[in-house]
Amino acid sequence: QLQLQESGPGLVKPSETLSLTCTVSGGSISNKDYYWDWIRQPPGKGLEWIGSIDYSGSTYYNPSLKSRVNISVDTSKNQFSLKLSSVTAADTAVYYCARQGDFLSGFCLDYWGQGTLVTVSS
Amino acid sequence: QSALTQPASVSGSPGQSITISCTGASSDVGTYNYVSWYQQHPGKAPKLIIYDVTTRPSGVSNRFSASKSGNTASLTISGLQAEDEADYYCASYSSSSTLWVFGGGTMLTVL
Repeated sequence: QLQLQESGPGLVKPSETLSLTCTVSGGSISNKDYYWDWIRQPPGKGLEWIGSIDYSGSTYYNPSLKSRVNISVDTSKNQFSLKLSSVTAADTAVYYCARQGDFLSGFCLDYWGQGTLVTVSS
Repeated sequence: QSALTQPASVSGSPGQSITISCTGASSDVGTYNYVSWYQQHPGKAPKLIIYDVTTRPSGVSNRFSASKSGNTASLTISGLQAEDEADYYCASYSSSSTLWVFGGGTMLTVL
């Protein structure tokens, strides 16, 4: 059974960089049929897609966040990571990592991590 | 403001059926059969319940069904149960500048 687990600081100061890692177990992040995504959810609000990466490092970002986001993959550790720079209070959210199928395997987010709350505050 | 429009809330009594709509545009729901639905209980991660407009993943109850007409996708839950009380989100592939668009979510209350 595939499992994803987010890890990283729960508190980040304004203007600093938020860094999170997602560790994948029970399957290989190098599987060419899937992408690996970050999604966030501000408290009491809806879901917002942040970006995706595939095993080769090809990335896709939400244009609204593109200037501040970097997603990378480490296949040797079966992990992928999120960096969001110049954070403000508006970036306070539960951050989820998820597996995304491609158009052939089913375009959806089929496995999710449990989520981690990141608060931006001084 | 979310790219896909969902009603903020719906409600129904146990045993009844409810339908949640999800309205997008020709750049997403209207053109592509890549609509998915997610169920989220409080404090939990979203769970995939429908993908590619109508397909249920293994293990998801057949009380959940979905369809699409034009720019609007719909999720129907039949035989409502207390455990169905949750937030429901639709999502779609988008050919616009962002790969994914989400609905704002619908809170389902089982009366």
